[in-house]
Amino acid sequence: GIQVEQSPPDLILQEGANSTLRCNFSDSVNNLQWFHQNPWGQLINLFYIPSGTKQNGRLSATTVATERYSLLYISSSQTTDSGVYFCAPFGDGLTFGKGTHLIIQP
Amino acid sequence: NAGVTQTPKFQVLKTGQSMTLQCAQDMNHEYMSWYRQDPGMGLRLIHYSVGAGITDQGEVPNGYNVSRSTTEDFPLRLLSAAPSQTSVYFCASSLGLPTDTQYFGPGTRLTVL
Repeated sequence: GIQVEQSPPDLILQEGANSTLRCNFSDSVNNLQWFHQNPWGQLINLFYIPSGTKQNGRLSATTVATERYSLLYISSSQTTDSGVYFCAPFGDGLTFGKGTHLIIQP
Repeated sequence: NAGVTQTPKFQVLKTGQSMTLQCAQDMNHEYMSWYRQDPGMGLRLIHYSVGAGITDQGEVPNGYNVSRSTTEDFPLRLLSAAPSQTSVYFCASSLGLPTDTQYFGPGTRLTVL
């Protein structure tokens, strides 16, 4: 099956900082989704982004399917952005990476 | 809409016991699925359903059964619980296709002693 690698595995930032999370995948995919798992465990869909760039407030995502990677940008971080960010490309099925654990300190 | 609901939130079982994790959605979604999440890992697909009466296996189906008698409900059954099934279980649904945006329930934390 498809292999998914997310980097960095852990990231600690001060409130107000910007960050870029990366997702590499090993094969062609039909689409890719980004999720945020908050500290209480709830998974929220952030983006459905098979290709191109999308923006939602302080968050944006870019997928370059031909080069098999996707990026998630978080600008002006807030403490509520803390949690784990997963990318999940869809090959045979939705395959999740191990995530980036983000901690935003006040 | 309540979205995707799961019960119970927490459960402790002894090895060999059986139980059913409940999942329901009120969005008229055709596609439903079950995942397990282990510490430090992403989510792994257990079983999925593309509509009432149709189910199929995911990446890690052993030890679990599912059925889909209605569009709304997709229960997950543990036949004979083992400590290796200690995990957090998430149910998800999407409108029609597995490639559509996935909506997740709040999860069930299961411990098998």
